[in-house]
Amino acid sequence: QSVLTQPPSASGTPGQRVTISCSGSSSNIGTNAVYWYHQVPGTAPKLLIYRNNQRPSGVPDRFSASKSDTSASLAISGLRSEDEGDYFCATWDDTLRGRGVFGGGTKLTVV
Amino acid sequence: QMQLQESGPGLVKPSETLSLTCTVSGGSISNHYWTWIRQSPGKGLEWIGYMYYSGIGNYNPSLESRVTISVDTSKNQFSLRLNSVTAADTAVYYCARGDGDYLELDYWGQGTRVTVSS
Repeated sequence: QSVLTQPPSASGTPGQRVTISCSGSSSNIGTNAVYWYHQVPGTAPKLLIYRNNQRPSGVPDRFSASKSDTSASLAISGLRSEDEGDYFCATWDDTLRGRGVFGGGTKLTVV
Repeated sequence: QMQLQESGPGLVKPSETLSLTCTVSGGSISNHYWTWIRQSPGKGLEWIGYMYYSGIGNYNPSLESRVTISVDTSKNQFSLRLNSVTAADTAVYYCARGDGDYLELDYWGQGTRVTVSS
């Protein structure tokens, strides 16, 4: 069971807006930055969002993210077929001398 | 453009040591947090640990007694050793670069599948 909780699946139609949630606690999301990764099956994850809401160069502004208290969310607007795949949130957890933790992942399907 | 490439055995026997190397090209291994992540079949991502080029690192407490990450600046490589492996260690292992923060993993290797089996 993951320290960060994500819905196992999400779906949307092309052009639609979808959001993916990530729930944690005061020892992780509550005090540390959140990161989001996108993974297409069979490939390595790709950094999508860093430090809660920052986009690396090359990531379109259709992707946005926010954090509030012990939860975070990723929003994808103008959904496209290439957005399909798994989305993972990640953050640092201050328990047990500190460790990186990931959410269980959300499988996004564009129908 | 920086590239990372994992290498090592794809099959390891139970109770033996898993050893992987990540070769960094297109940039220096100095600075940054050199990180290992793994993904068990059909599962999510698990953070194994990181080592800063200076030799300061941190490991996942669940693996800490069995894991060592080391950095070789002369070869622009970093390595993972995981002792006393079991079937539960079967996974795709990724090496990655942390930029600015431990989990700001901006460059990844393609991943290497390691199976623990006799």
